[in-house]
Amino acid sequence: GQQLNQSPQSMFIQEGEDVSMNCTSSSIFNTWLWYKQDPGEGPVLLIALYKAGELTSNGRLTAQFGITRKDSFLNISASIPSDVGIYFCAGVIQGAQKLVFGQGTRLTINP
Amino acid sequence: GAGVSQTPSNKVTEKGKYVELRCDPISGHTALYWYRQSLGQGPEFLIYFQGTGAADDSGLPNDRFFAVRPEGSVSTLKIQRTERGDSAVYLCASSLVGGDAWLSGYTFGSGTRLTVV
Repeated sequence: GQQLNQSPQSMFIQEGEDVSMNCTSSSIFNTWLWYKQDPGEGPVLLIALYKAGELTSNGRLTAQFGITRKDSFLNISASIPSDVGIYFCAGVIQGAQKLVFGQGTRLTINP
Repeated sequence: GAGVSQTPSNKVTEKGKYVELRCDPISGHTALYWYRQSLGQGPEFLIYFQGTGAADDSGLPNDRFFAVRPEGSVSTLKIQRTERGDSAVYLCASSLVGGDAWLSGYTFGSGTRLTVV
């Protein structure tokens, strides 16, 4: 089945640093999503990307939908303690209602 | 309700037992989804309901897993003869259907953590 490869698997950074993570796939997706999951909670949508090449921002978060429709990246600028958590990319297959998730990037911030 | 509600939040059961996990979607959301999240992994799709019917059950791992949504609202995921490998967090999500709005409203519950001992 479809798989999304997300990297890095984990990141340890200092507060205030910028963060970059990415997601690649062997399959084409027509929509890419980025989620954040806190312990004991379900994933919460951060950014949705609907068009190849699209660059979208949400506060300190910026995400891009790759031109080949097989990759996406998420950047977080000036990290703060509440950014700690696990970030997941997800792809939506044309015509399907289901999401295919990456393995996640665990972000840890040292104050 | 205001969000997707899942009960119980935690369930410990013995190997071989039967379990039921409940999901109460956001009011008015016609689509409902079940995902399974193993430790250290992303959620994996199990089944999708549109109204009362299962529109896509391709993610159910085997015939021990079954889900129903008899009135098009609350759904129950049923697992027979549980195995230790079934231990995971079972997430439910709901959404509207149609257009691009369905994704922005695609909301997950907090999940049920199932432990099979």
